[in-house]
Amino acid sequence: GNSVTQMEGPVTLSEEAFLTINCTYTATGYPSLFWYVQYPGEGLQLLLKATKADDKGSNKGFEATYRKETTSFHLEKGSVQVSDSAVYFCAHRDTGRRALTFGSGTRLQVQP
Amino acid sequence: GAVVSQHPSWVICKSGTSVKIECRSLDFQATTMFWYRQFPKQSLMLMATSNEGSKATYEQGVEKDKFLINHASLTLSTLTVTSAHPEDSSFYICSARPPLSYNEQFFGPGTRLTVL
Repeated sequence: GNSVTQMEGPVTLSEEAFLTINCTYTATGYPSLFWYVQYPGEGLQLLLKATKADDKGSNKGFEATYRKETTSFHLEKGSVQVSDSAVYFCAHRDTGRRALTFGSGTRLQVQP
Repeated sequence: GAVVSQHPSWVICKSGTSVKIECRSLDFQATTMFWYRQFPKQSLMLMATSNEGSKATYEQGVEKDKFLINHASLTLSTLTVTSAHPEDSSFYICSARPPLSYNEQFFGPGTRLTVL
């Protein structure tokens, strides 16, 4: 079946710390992989994506690499800011499906 | 990016009443919209795919007669929770996909429904 598993939060970091949020998936085909971010009071926004193995998605200092061999798409950022505090969702869309399958979300809290 | 709105942002209703939630794509036409449900500290669960001009496609386990979906125009889809009960209390989120876009979906801010 299709599923996405991501680390539970909340993750609390100090400003300028290194961030990793783990995400692994199961799929029957060759999925596209996504990270979405939800800031307080707002809708989910696409943060980055990767559509095939070894692709690296990047945006706003965040990166994630599509690792087919480990079925993972871990989110990283070298130096987080207070403004990065939000909930991050890993998601995929398996081959032939129009809808996304989401992980449970990870809340990130960055302290000054 | 494109904007998707939802109305209302929150609603409280009595058990047994029906509630309608609107999802609008403000600056693009959406042939496909999706309705998700999110429980506290849990993932978004797809409820149904709404197709403009045709019947919605419901996920397994979602009652069609309970959650009525109407996608009457290219910018509006509605979800009606009929005869709501406390267990229907949840956060409902819609997303819209522009035509010819395979990887892009734009999400609304969500509607929190509380059934007393």
